[in-house]
Amino acid sequence: QKEVEQNSGPLSVPEGAIASLNCTYSDRGSQSFFWYRQYSGKSPELIMFIYSNGDKEDGRFTAQLNKASQYVSLLIRDSQPSDSATYLCAVNKDAGGTSYGKLTFGQGTILTVHP
Amino acid sequence: SAVISQKPSRDICQRGTSLTIQCQVDSQVTMMFWYRQQPGQSLTLIATANQGSEATYESGFVIDKFPISRPNLTFSTLTVSNMSPEDSSIYLCRIFDGVDTDTQYFGPGTRLTVL
Repeated sequence: QKEVEQNSGPLSVPEGAIASLNCTYSDRGSQSFFWYRQYSGKSPELIMFIYSNGDKEDGRFTAQLNKASQYVSLLIRDSQPSDSATYLCAVNKDAGGTSYGKLTFGQGTILTVHP
Repeated sequence: SAVISQKPSRDICQRGTSLTIQCQVDSQVTMMFWYRQQPGQSLTLIATANQGSEATYESGFVIDKFPISRPNLTFSTLTVSNMSPEDSSIYLCRIFDGVDTDTQYFGPGTRLTVL
């Protein structure tokens, strides 16, 4: 079982729709969770992070975390063609100690928003 | 936000040679990490670059193959030694100030092709 799993997609949604991206992780002790966006040929950029169960909203983006189910998701409302990119889920296993700051990435989900 | 540069941005190398990649940050940062992203794949952590001491390598990566230096808080190098075509990848440095979760960024990456 991979440590961080994502559906590779591609996920195709029409402009204006809600895109839902999902991620599961295997280490129940994982502490913090991140979503990165990576445009083709570019390096990843941090969109959101979440530590606590529940929802966290930032503009059109909502991160959702369910630690009991070991599941984290990213919702993108009012999707735009400029949102077309690969979305990477990343997990930090340990808030302290030797794993501090280290992220384990999923394989990414390709999102295409079509006009 | 911090400005990160990597040199070279890309290179084509012959099998058996070595290449040193530089990561320069315009401010002091606590944590620097080196990742590899193979074609069509996600990011894999190679090592944590520790200032003033040896790097901490992840499983599957060894110092003889990927020596890392971090002489100060703004600079690190990763050397890919005795290269083979399997080393063809994008190599990225990532920084984190260790305190503010928002302040983590990837460098632009170095695209390496080994013939």
